[in-house]
Amino acid sequence: SQQGEEDPQALSIQEGENATMNCSYKTSINNLQWYRQNSGRGLVHLILIRSNEREKHSGRLRVTLDTSKKSSSLLITASRAADTASYFCATPPSGTYKYIFGTGTRLKVLA
Amino acid sequence: DTGVSQDPRHKITKRGQNVTFRCDPISEHNRLYWYRQTLGQGPEFLTYFQNEAQLEKSRLLSDRFSAERPKGSFSTLEIQRTEQGDSAMYLCASSSISGRAGEQYFGPGTRLTVT
Repeated sequence: SQQGEEDPQALSIQEGENATMNCSYKTSINNLQWYRQNSGRGLVHLILIRSNEREKHSGRLRVTLDTSKKSSSLLITASRAADTASYFCATPPSGTYKYIFGTGTRLKVLA
Repeated sequence: DTGVSQDPRHKITKRGQNVTFRCDPISEHNRLYWYRQTLGQGPEFLTYFQNEAQLEKSRLLSDRFSAERPKGSFSTLEIQRTEQGDSAMYLCASSSISGRAGEQYFGPGTRLTVT
């Protein structure tokens, strides 16, 4: 099964609302990353959080990491139609570069 | 544009044929990854190179799949005796060993259709 599993699988919100998606993983990790994929730009790296960090911000993105629960969340504030995409978490088990992606959360932002 | 490039972008082949894909990473990146992605799924790790050394391989990279990075620059992924189950998007990514280490830059992918 996947190392990272996102929840929910799909999310539909109105423009201006916040979107929260979660990721769970199974093994110890050095870092966790979030990526966005849409048909126009392919897979794009959003943010990386290291195992010794609990929270990180980048623009309208806020990521948290709870290593005791093996989970992470991605919050997108003040969403825009352009945020419509699939969002994936990716984690390499400690000591490897074998990045494992989840199945993704499909976000739809309605104008 | 100095991003990751992949060639070809689309490939249609008949079952049993061999196919080869090429990836040109960002020039200063030492790390190169290959993934496979099917509809509705996340990318699935295939293999990882650091410079010219292939350091990790998925069990999926069986006897029909082989990857090379001969001079630590571009990489090729070959699939021999293709099967319909090989139909997927094949993605290449590269990253730096320093600086923003771990941040992968993905190419546009090669979409393979096996008929």
